[in-house]
Amino acid sequence: DADVTQTPRNRITKTGKRIMLECSQTKGHDRMYWYRQDPGLGLRLIYYSFDVKDINKGEISDGYSVSRQAQAKFSLSLESAIPNQTALYFCATSATSGSSSEAFFGQGTRLTVV
Amino acid sequence: GESVGLHLPTLSVQEGDNSIINCAYSNSASDYFIWYKQESGKGPQFIIDIRSNMDKRQGQRVTVLLNKTVKHLSLQIAATQPGDSAVYFCAENSGGSNYKLTFGKGTLLTVNP
Repeated sequence: DADVTQTPRNRITKTGKRIMLECSQTKGHDRMYWYRQDPGLGLRLIYYSFDVKDINKGEISDGYSVSRQAQAKFSLSLESAIPNQTALYFCATSATSGSSSEAFFGQGTRLTVV
Repeated sequence: GESVGLHLPTLSVQEGDNSIINCAYSNSASDYFIWYKQESGKGPQFIIDIRSNMDKRQGQRVTVLLNKTVKHLSLQIAATQPGDSAVYFCAENSGGSNYKLTFGKGTLLTVNP
């Protein structure tokens, strides 16, 4: 089983719909992240959480919200999806060990907004 | 502002050759750097990392070089194999202990048999 699991893997939704992407991890890490990947733009940070009671905005948080339901679960919501939110979304985790720690990524969720 | 960029968006090499992928960063306060490999349809996978108090680190067939004077990072892959074909990203921790990775745009490496 994957250490970081994202559901769904693929989703097509209509403009204006609310959609939730879910992430769960078995690594026991406190820190979790949501990234968005667009062609030619790399990965950009949407939101991150350092523990269950901590939520922080990343560089592109507008139009998104998150919920940290438990240490192992971090969900990303699009309140009213729009076509330019079509992208590949990645969840990641990292250990709480200061500044030198790799991030582990899920397999990604491909979201298409039509 | 903060940015992590790559000099070459694509790199094509022959199998068995050495590959060098370059990355420039602008945040002099970044203290930790990672190279990730992303294969088609998969999430990024860790390759190698380096702290800012080092200038070189070696792994299995890979070496990362860090030049803080010119804010430059490179990934060297020895004896490149077809399985190395992927997009490679450099990332920097720009948040210190508030760990937050900023990614470059990626370089597509194609290995020709």
